[in-house]
Amino acid sequence: DIVMTQSPISLPVTPGEPASISCRSSQSLLSSNGYNYLEWYLQKPGQSPQLLIYLGSNRASGVPDRFSGSGSGTDFTLEISRVEAEDVGVYYCLQDLQTPYTFGQGTKLEIK
Amino acid sequence: QVQLQESGPGLVKPSGTLSLSCTVSGASISSNYWWSWVRQPPGKGLEWIGEISLSGTTIYSSSLRSRVTISLDKSKNQFSLNLISVTAADTAVYYCARERLREVGMLDVWGQGTTVTVS
Repeated sequence: DIVMTQSPISLPVTPGEPASISCRSSQSLLSSNGYNYLEWYLQKPGQSPQLLIYLGSNRASGVPDRFSGSGSGTDFTLEISRVEAEDVGVYYCLQDLQTPYTFGQGTKLEIK
Repeated sequence: QVQLQESGPGLVKPSGTLSLSCTVSGASISSNYWWSWVRQPPGKGLEWIGEISLSGTTIYSSSLRSRVTISLDKSKNQFSLNLISVTAADTAVYYCARERLREVGMLDVWGQGTTVTVS
């Protein structure tokens, strides 16, 4: 199975400041078709997870443009350009290159 | 608007069987999607359990493969999760989710989740 490792585990951020979350995979998520099969999800407090980013860098429908994803192969980053109060929650990366799909352990973003 | 709703017993005895259903509304379960189950133990992260296609093909997580079965009931527009020989480690919130093509974002619709306690 592919192991996904996120850092940091906890991320306190001042509103208006940027935030960055790292996700590393135990093997490359770059497919022969040129796509990186890496997704990002946000689980807000008391809610179900919601899709933010797919194929490493594509924003899902309705996701604000302050969220961006980057990276390739085994190293990926989720960036929030200016954190807002509504961004609090736990962020998870997910590899969907191959089954069984696997999540990172999560990064909890909180407001300072 | 597609909605998913999990249902089933909230309490299961150790060594028993956990059985949950996910009812799909706003879309046919026979549409060209896969359907997934994901769980979250208390205070912990997300764990993908497995998936089923409209033709009934299933794929399971490595750690649960020997105990889990996912099935479809097209007449009820539902899919189900069965987990046998449960222990306290299976206590979790269980989510069902619609699974699209990975190239457009995989798990795009989720149920609200249902809490199952093994005790």
